[in-house]
Amino acid sequence: QSVLTQPPSASGTPGQRVTISCSGSTSNVGGNYVFWYQQFPGSAPKLLISRDDQRPSGVPDRFSGSKSGASASLAISGLRSEDEADYYCATWHGSLWVFGGGTKLTVL
Amino acid sequence: QVQLVQSGAEVKKPGASMKISCKASGNSFSSYSLNWVYQAPGQSLEWMGWIIGRNGDTRYSEKFQGRVTITWDASAGTTSLELRSLSSEDTGVYYCTLRDGYIFFRVDIWGPGTKVTVSS
Repeated sequence: QSVLTQPPSASGTPGQRVTISCSGSTSNVGGNYVFWYQQFPGSAPKLLISRDDQRPSGVPDRFSGSKSGASASLAISGLRSEDEADYYCATWHGSLWVFGGGTKLTVL
Repeated sequence: QVQLVQSGAEVKKPGASMKISCKASGNSFSSYSLNWVYQAPGQSLEWMGWIIGRNGDTRYSEKFQGRVTITWDASAGTTSLELRSLSSEDTGVYYCTLRDGYIFFRVDIWGPGTKVTVSS
């Protein structure tokens, strides 16, 4: 059971905007940067959002991150079929780097 | 362009030890850490620990403390993960990642993973 709570699943149709939440506490999300990772089946995770809301080079601007208090969100606009993947939030919890349980995004 | 190449898949018996490696090329960060992350089949990700490239300091997750050792050979650009007293619960994929810092970082590059199966 992770200290970061994500919905196990999310879905949307092509072109839609979907958001994935990551809920924590002042000990983790509320006091540290949040990172988001994208993982396709059988592949390694890839950093999608750094430091709450920064996109690494090469990440489309359809992906955006935000944070308010002890909750963070990943938004994907203009949803595409190739966005179907697992998404994980992560941050520090004390001296431990923790991941959320992951959200499986399905594009209908 | 940083690239991480990990060693090949392994099959181990319960009670044995494993040692897998990850070679980093193209690293130009002045401050960096090598991290190891575990993923059990169908499960989320779990951080195991890090080693700081500049001074070799290590930090381990309490869950793996006492069973895990992370090393860094700067001359070879290779980090290794040793995990002892293996059980079936250690079956999964082990990823190494390179960050441009340790507590504070922006970049987090992942290796392709090494699959480890623990079975009698």
